[in-house]
Amino acid sequence: DGGITQSPKYLFRKEGQNVTLSCEQNLNHDAMYWYRQDPGQGLRLIYYSQIVNDFQKGDIAEGYSVSREKKESFPLTVTSAQKNPTAFYLCAISGLDAGELFFGEGSRLTVL
Amino acid sequence: GQQLNQSPQSMFIQEGEDVSMNCTSSSIFNTWLWYKQDPGEGPVLLIALYKAGELTSNGRLTAQFGITRKDSFLNISASIPSDVGIYFCAGRTSGTYKYIFGTGTRLKVLA
Repeated sequence: DGGITQSPKYLFRKEGQNVTLSCEQNLNHDAMYWYRQDPGQGLRLIYYSQIVNDFQKGDIAEGYSVSREKKESFPLTVTSAQKNPTAFYLCAISGLDAGELFFGEGSRLTVL
Repeated sequence: GQQLNQSPQSMFIQEGEDVSMNCTSSSIFNTWLWYKQDPGEGPVLLIALYKAGELTSNGRLTAQFGITRKDSFLNISASIPSDVGIYFCAGRTSGTYKYIFGTGTRLKVLA
């Protein structure tokens, strides 16, 4: 969606390597989220953050880490501890008052 | 983690036909969202619902917030080929910022 930038769009990594996915927003929304999507499946929540310097684990946080040092940025690191990291990763944002959740265009990670 | 039950999982319809799909939850939600996702892209928000019984339209799309607050429905009228894609519902309970997603309805329109 406009104002949410995910990068890179495609990423390849070797097993055992950490990789960081970027999510930046310029819509001044407070809450940011990371979801994982596997083929033919719905979206599963990895981490979310409501305010700067605070974040909560979602349903599948193991093997992932995040930081929220700035309101506009919420990077996701896929660590070597994530046993099955190949997936489509989606960043999303929402306001504290509004109910809408807006998504970026996604980053596809493939482990070789 | 919890997921919503969304049905049907997939459907093939003829161009011009109407489409209906729904989501059900064991929890009460105060927000329902409906999305469309094209291959390789992020989901795009179609309709947001905030009140039980609310009926909201967006062009040929109409969505309803179920009276029990545990379900929601999406209808597409007079389908066209570009309606092809995966439709997701999502719900959120009061006091949380955590959205729960349905498993998706894959729609294919036959011209």
